[in-house]
Amino acid sequence: GAVVSQHPSRVICKSGTSVKIECRSLDFQATTMFWYRQFPKQSLMLMATSNEGSKATYEQGVEKDKFLINHASLTLSTLTVTSAHPEDSSFYICSARDWTGPIYEQYFGPGTRLTVT
Amino acid sequence: TQLLEQSPQFLSIQEGENLTVYCNSSSVFSSLQWYRQEPGEGPVLLVTVVTGGEVKKLKRLTFQFGDARKDSSLHITAAQPGDTGLYLCAGAPLGGAQKLVFGQGTRLTINP
Repeated sequence: GAVVSQHPSRVICKSGTSVKIECRSLDFQATTMFWYRQFPKQSLMLMATSNEGSKATYEQGVEKDKFLINHASLTLSTLTVTSAHPEDSSFYICSARDWTGPIYEQYFGPGTRLTVT
Repeated sequence: TQLLEQSPQFLSIQEGENLTVYCNSSSVFSSLQWYRQEPGEGPVLLVTVVTGGEVKKLKRLTFQFGDARKDSSLHITAAQPGDTGLYLCAGAPLGGAQKLVFGQGTRLTINP
C-alpha cells in the first residue's frame, strides 16, 4: 500500500507557542489530504480536508485560525497549531487519498503526539 | 448525515476463539474500508470492499460487504494476541464525496 509519513512523531511545547506538523505522501501524489484528531480510546475526528493549491475545508467547530493547514504541493501538507494550550494536547493523524487506483483508498500517517505544558 | 454504527465497541476474548465485528448503516456506500490501529500509531488499511456481497480473506480475517452495500463484517478465526488493537470501519459515500465516514471503532483484546 501507499506510504504516508508524519513528522515529528512526538512534540512537547510550552503553552502559547506554535507547533508545525508535516505530512508527506512518499510514493504517490495526494491532491487531497485529511487531518484528524484522536482522543484516548476514541475513534478519529476529522478536523479538516486540504486540497493541493487551495484553502482547507474545516469541519464544524474546528477553529481555522488556530489550526492552520497548508497543502502547497502534491506530497506535503502541514498543520500548524498556533498559540497552543494544554487542551490542544492530543494525537494528530494525517491521511492522504490515493486517486491513482480505481477505488477510493485512504492511507494514514503514523501520527503525532502533541503535549502542551 | 451518514453514520456507521460499529459493534461491539469493546471485545475481550481468549486466544483461539472466533469473533465478528459489525459495521452497519442505513446509507449506501461506494466502498468500505477496514483499518487496524495499535496504540500510538496511525490506522493501517487492511482491506477495501467495493462490490455488494463481496468477500475478501486476509489470512485468518474475513471481510464481507453487504449485498446492499450498507453494512460490512469482519470475522477473525482463531484469534491471536497479535490481533489486539482498535478496528475501524470507514465508508466512502456515494457521489464522490471526499471524506470517509468512520465507525466508532471496536477495541479488541485477545488474552493469551
